[in-house]
This record gives sequence, structure tokens and C-alpha cells, in this order.
Amino acid sequence: QVQLQQWGAGLLKPSETLSLTCAVYGGSFSGYYWSWIRQPPGKGLEWIGEINHSGSANYNPSLKSRVTISIDTPNNQFSLRLSSVTAADTAVYYCARDSAATEYWGQGTLVTVSS
Amino acid sequence: QSALTQPASVSGSPGQSITISCTGTSSDVGGYNLVSWYQQHPGKAPKLMIYEVSNRPSGASNRFSGSKSGNTASLTISGLQAEDEADYYCCSYAGSSTVVFGGGTKLTVL
Repeated sequence: QVQLQQWGAGLLKPSETLSLTCAVYGGSFSGYYWSWIRQPPGKGLEWIGEINHSGSANYNPSLKSRVTISIDTPNNQFSLRLSSVTAADTAVYYCARDSAATEYWGQGTLVTVSS
Repeated sequence: QSALTQPASVSGSPGQSITISCTGTSSDVGGYNLVSWYQQHPGKAPKLMIYEVSNRPSGASNRFSGSKSGNTASLTISGLQAEDEADYYCCSYAGSSTVVFGGGTKLTVL
């Protein structure tokens, strides 16, 4: 059974960098894209980006200038960094397997940006 | 890249059928058979209900079905049950290795 477990800082100040990591347990790590998706409180889902095992990444054009997704294949982990955060980046952040048919999700991490 | 358009809310009585629409453009919904649907209960991660327009993953009830016509995809839930009350999101491949979600639809079971 595939499980995704994520962690990272939950409270940031404006202009800081958000950093989250997701570990994958079970299943194949190399055969899929691994993605990050976020959901502001009370709002809808927004795709942030994805990466495959070889490090090829794709990003949401609206966030591309601030986002970096990286991968640690030997440890079956991948990470998200979002720079220069503002209150608008306050959201639950999910890691997930695949982007277009996402069957496996992490538990979600609420990241709050507040001064 | 704009969000796909979904009705904000739909409702139905137990046993009835409802349909949720998801309208995009020829650059996303209309251009690819890569539309998926997710169910999300409060405080929970989304659950995949339909992928590639009309395929159901194992674990998704056969009361859920998907279809597409032109730039609009649809999710139909038949035999509504109280447990179906949730938020529903569509999602489509949007070209250039990007993905776009709909704004979400709140389903109320009366």
C-alpha cells in the first residue's frame, strides 16, 4: 500500500521561504510523477507542480517564479520550496502521486503566513 | 491558465441522481481525455472518483460515472446517499505539462 507522509514548518512570516518534504512508502517511486497541490482555507484546489524520479519538474505558470520542487530518489522523498511567501500563500499543502489522476495523497500540512 | 468552471452548489434527495458540470476550453477539457474528479469531505484529503473522463479507480462506488462533450465534462452520481455530501472538484490536463482544477462544487443531500 502506498503511503505519503509529509512534514514542514506550519507558521511563516511574510517574505520567508516555505519548505515541505514528503516521504513515500510502498510501491514504485521511479515510475511516477510526484506532485504538490494546495488549498487555501475554504477555497478550491490549486496545482503547484510535479517532479519525476530523474528530476524533471513542471510548474504552475502562476507560481513558477517562486517554486522549486526537488527529489531525493535514494530516500524516496521529494520537497517543495516556495519563496517570498505572503498571506495569500496560506493554505493546506498536500503532496500526492501523479497530477492528473491522483490516487494517493499525503495527510496535508496547514501553512499559515502571518506577521 | 484559468480554473475550470463548476457550479458552486448542487443538491438532491436520497435516491435521486445529480450531475455536476465542469467547463473548460479546447486547451484543457476539450483537448485531452484526461479529466478526473475528486470527492472531498471536510478536513480530509481529496479522493479520486473518476480518471481519464470515465474510468473508476478501485474503491470508488459504481454509482459515480463521468463523461465529456466538447469542452464540458460531467460527473453523475446516481442513487444519492447521505455519505455523498461533500465537495467535488474536476481536474484536467491543460497542455505543456500542466494541470488545472475546477473551483469546486458543494453537493448537499437534502
